[in-house]
Amino acid sequence: GQQVMQIPQYQHVQEGEDFTTYCNSSTTLSNIQWYKQRPGGHPVFLIQLVKSGEVKKQKRLTFQFGEAKKNSSLHITATQTTDVGTYFCAGPIDYKLSFGAGTTVTVRA
Amino acid sequence: DTGVSQDPRHKITKRGQNVTFRCDPISEHNRLYWYRQTLGQGPEFLTYFQNEAQLEKSRLLSDRFSAERPKGSFSTLEIQRTEQGDSAMYLCASSFPDRRHYGYTFGSGTRLTVV
Repeated sequence: GQQVMQIPQYQHVQEGEDFTTYCNSSTTLSNIQWYKQRPGGHPVFLIQLVKSGEVKKQKRLTFQFGEAKKNSSLHITATQTTDVGTYFCAGPIDYKLSFGAGTTVTVRA
Repeated sequence: DTGVSQDPRHKITKRGQNVTFRCDPISEHNRLYWYRQTLGQGPEFLTYFQNEAQLEKSRLLSDRFSAERPKGSFSTLEIQRTEQGDSAMYLCASSFPDRRHYGYTFGSGTRLTVV
């Protein structure tokens, strides 16, 4: 089974609102990665976090790696329709990436 | 280089038939991975290669599945005697992990439907 868990599974957001999705690993990770998969598409690499407590921003997206390097979060500010898709976190476990089940985001205009 | 290419994009096959998928990774990438994704789930690891060596196979991968990466370039994934439970998106990814970048580049996938 998947060793990386994500919540929530679904996020329905009003356009312009903020939301956060969370990722937890059963083991300490050397790095955490986030991917976005648009409907009908394939996962696309967004970012990687390596250091404990690291915070990185990409425009309206803020990614954080926990102090214990076992959890991560993605916060999206002022959600837009272009944010629609499924966001996956992934961590290297036994030399290959283990993916969470993803948070599927839908946006109400 | 245009990224990771997978062929075919879609495959419909009858139960019991064999199918083979191809993946062409980014040429500079030495690692190649196969994942399977079903609806509502994240990609699930199947196997990976470093250059031409197959380093790991998931326990999920029955002996009906085989993968090769001759000469460390393209890879093929073959499924023998397909079953309806094999219906899924098969994703290939490649990477060249170094201290700056560990991320994978995925192909567009091959969607398999077993009828």
